[in-house]
Amino acid sequence: QVQLVESGGGVVQPGRSLRLSCAASGFTFSNYAIHWVRQAPGKGLEWVAVISYDGRNQYYSDSVKGRFTISRDNSNNTLYLQMNSLRGEDTAVYHCARPHGTTTIWNWFDSWGQGTLVTVSS
Amino acid sequence: SYVLTQPPSVSVAPGKTARISCGANNIGSKSVHWYQQKPGQAPVVVMYYDSDRPSGIPERFSGSNSGNMATLTISRVEAGDEADYYCQLWDSSSDRVVFGGGTKLTVL
Repeated sequence: QVQLVESGGGVVQPGRSLRLSCAASGFTFSNYAIHWVRQAPGKGLEWVAVISYDGRNQYYSDSVKGRFTISRDNSNNTLYLQMNSLRGEDTAVYHCARPHGTTTIWNWFDSWGQGTLVTVSS
Repeated sequence: SYVLTQPPSVSVAPGKTARISCGANNIGSKSVHWYQQKPGQAPVVVMYYDSDRPSGIPERFSGSNSGNMATLTISRVEAGDEADYYCQLWDSSSDRVVFGGGTKLTVL
């Protein structure tokens, strides 16, 4: 079955960096775009970024553009999110999510990981 | 940027009908998806492309989208339906995914 497992979260000081990973299994990773979606404690869902199936295209929310970089390693079935210049408002659970259908970027999410918590605090 | 507006909370008695709205300018021209999220769990899609129900989602769940409002309707509400519900779409003008603020459904 489809599995997405995030890792790399933790406590980090403002201004520092952190890299999240999302390990995929149960499907042909290289055929799917993958998104990052975050959820601040007690708050709603917020889309962060997406990368196309082949890694050629990336899109970001305005709140992270220029600070975060999404990338992927199709040979290792892993998605990454490099987060630089972290701020308190980046504190959230970060989920990776797969859109329904191969190669398509913009579709409903049919699979989600459980998420990894990032806490930005001094 | 495109903004989706949901009521923060909806309360309904068991067996009654809950309607959760998602408002935005001309949302009827876009495809809206709905997710259910229970505490400590990842979201699960309950409706896609406005009114398509994934396998495993009860027929009690239905959706509609027209004009400036999309609606998720849950008939014969059960205690197990208590959760947060989010609408979502793709804003093609900016190539962004947009989520509504979420609605907490309380079963009285």
